[in-house]
Amino acid sequence: QKEVEQNSGPLSVPEGAIASLNCTYSDRGSQSFFWYRQYSGKSPELIMSIYSNGDKEDGRFTAQLNKASQYVSLLIRDSQPSDSATYLCAVKVSGGYNKLIFGAGTRLAVHP
Amino acid sequence: NAGVTQTPKFQVLKTGQSMTLQCAQDMNHNSMYWYRQDPGMGLRLIYYSASEGTTDKGEVPNGYNVSRLNKREFSLRLESAAPSQTSVYFCASSVGDGELFFGEGSRLTVL
Repeated sequence: QKEVEQNSGPLSVPEGAIASLNCTYSDRGSQSFFWYRQYSGKSPELIMSIYSNGDKEDGRFTAQLNKASQYVSLLIRDSQPSDSATYLCAVKVSGGYNKLIFGAGTRLAVHP
Repeated sequence: NAGVTQTPKFQVLKTGQSMTLQCAQDMNHNSMYWYRQDPGMGLRLIYYSASEGTTDKGEVPNGYNVSRLNKREFSLRLESAAPSQTSVYFCASSVGDGELFFGEGSRLTVL
């Protein structure tokens, strides 16, 4: 079992809709969680971080964390074609100083 | 601002050849990382260095060695390349808070 699991997609949503991306992790001691976006042929870039249970909003993005269920999600409101990319969930694992493990990523396609 | 610089960007090797991927960052970050990315596999951690003078294995260390030469530089060496090591390699650095800054990637093909 991978430490960080994501549905590979593709997730296809119409422009203006809400895209919901999900991630589960296996390390109960993890305290820090991140969402990275990667456009095709480019490097990943950080879009959200979350450390506490609940929701964290930043513009059109909302990250949600439930440590009891070991579940992290990312909501993208008012999806735009420019949001089409692969979204990578990352977890800072406990017991490994600054060790960051990524999921396989979910490919999102927003169609006009 | 260069950020994280990787060299080379492209490389073709024959099975059994050796090579070193170079990475340098100019952001004074403590932590540096090497990941590989294969289709459908996301980013898999090869080795990381939490701080100058330390290195640790990641998820897929076999067949690789690393050197944290100084705070700026972190190299990845393939001693005897195999076709299974054909991949895109990313170097990244961080202050240690989980925000990674990535290089542009190095595309390696092993024939």
